[in-house]
Amino acid sequence: GAGVSQSPSNKVTEKGKDVELRCDPISGHTALYWYRQSLGQGLEFLIYFQGNSAPDKSGLPSDRFSAERTGGSVSTLTIQRTQQEDSAVYLCASSLLSGRAGEQFFGPGTRLTVL
Amino acid sequence: AQSVTQLGSHVSVSEGALVLLRCNYSSSVPPYLFWYVQYPNQGLQLLLKYTSAATLVKGINGFEAEFKKSETSFHLTKPSAHMSDAAEYFCAVWGGADGLTFGKGTHLIIQP
Repeated sequence: GAGVSQSPSNKVTEKGKDVELRCDPISGHTALYWYRQSLGQGLEFLIYFQGNSAPDKSGLPSDRFSAERTGGSVSTLTIQRTQQEDSAVYLCASSLLSGRAGEQFFGPGTRLTVL
Repeated sequence: AQSVTQLGSHVSVSEGALVLLRCNYSSSVPPYLFWYVQYPNQGLQLLLKYTSAATLVKGINGFEAEFKKSETSFHLTKPSAHMSDAAEYFCAVWGGADGLTFGKGTHLIIQP
């Protein structure tokens, strides 16, 4: 079956512009996660959605970052007024079960470059 | 809070030799531990996971890992390296509402 998909695969933007990154989880998966992978920081957890519940936003690196999940499925990560330090690969993962019992399946990522 | 430490950012082994990638964890609760592999320009793929059932866990592609509570370790091994094993390997611990907490990763190089 189809895995987690992310779009775009690559995004180049200018400093100060807003960007939207999209994640389509595996059908039926209730939990959805966003991570950021950068050379300096490694893999960082950003935010977690469980179904339609409001997420805990404390992992987001700044108030320029926001995320939403519509209808318990597709998720969008938005970065406003992008900065060069936002350059990274943004990974999305989904799992059938929430919590530690749920194996997370990762998408291929969106590589964001801020010039 | 949970954390993992991977010893060695780069590990080089000869084809056919033993692969040993080290991971130590810190957790205030019984941990759930994972090893993921990332091939160039691809997402993360689960190799294996420890969920307190058995201390020796077998995964895909001939990899296995042993959970040792006394050493707070979860090292990844493979008896005989293959060229196709060259990739980045990440150890991770489940962090509750904070998702997975990953180590810095170990780049495995296979010498012909």
